Amino acid sequence: AQKVTQAQTEISVVEKEDVTLDCVYETRDTTYYLFWYKQPPSGELVFLIRRNSFDEQNEISGRYSWNFQKSTSSFNFTITASQVVDSAVYFCALSGSGNTGKLIFGQGTTLQVKP
Amino acid sequence: DTGVSQDPRHKITKRGQNVTFRCDPISEHNRLYWYRQTLGQGPEFLTYFQNEAQLEKSRLLSDRFSAERPKGSFSTLEIQRTEQGDSAMYLCASSLGEWGYNEQFFGPGTRLTVL
Repeated sequence: AQKVTQAQTEISVVEKEDVTLDCVYETRDTTYYLFWYKQPPSGELVFLIRRNSFDEQNEISGRYSWNFQKSTSSFNFTITASQVVDSAVYFCALSGSGNTGKLIFGQGTTLQVKP
Repeated sequence: DTGVSQDPRHKITKRGQNVTFRCDPISEHNRLYWYRQTLGQGPEFLTYFQNEAQLEKSRLLSDRFSAERPKGSFSTLEIQRTEQGDSAMYLCASSLGEWGYNEQFFGPGTRLTVL
């Protein structure tokens, strides 16, 4: 069975702090894809990143960075110098090797960035 | 370029009534997904269309639920004899391509409240 676990339900930080959101996944597929989505208070899920199982290179995009480690089945997301606009619910998701593309989401982590 | 749109945005109904939701995907996106999200949880996959063909349905989709995508464009999700447990946000997403790992673009969702 495929599963995504985001153990942190809520995180609260003060603006400009760095914050890491954890994601642990389970799958028996050898080819799979991992995603992060952001759900701001408006409710619409926004795609942030996709990573395939063969690419363990870390990625940086502005203040966002992602650390993928197959050895620990983790795909963690770090926001550097957090801002109030980063306040949202963040979801990690997994898509397996089947071609449907259906996403298995974690429970989400609510990030609150205080001014 | 418009994004995924969903109608209505909110629906309040009484238990036992039928409801129908509509999703308009991004133009030319061949893949369309329905998910359900309850409070404090991540979205859960319901069903998937490639063009007009419904290729996968989750076990979550009881026989009271039916989805269609005539002509491979917009899609409808109907719930018959609604129950209080059906109260949730119903999300639609679309993607382009032959492979399932492509980015899914989500609509704003339809929030259903069953009294």
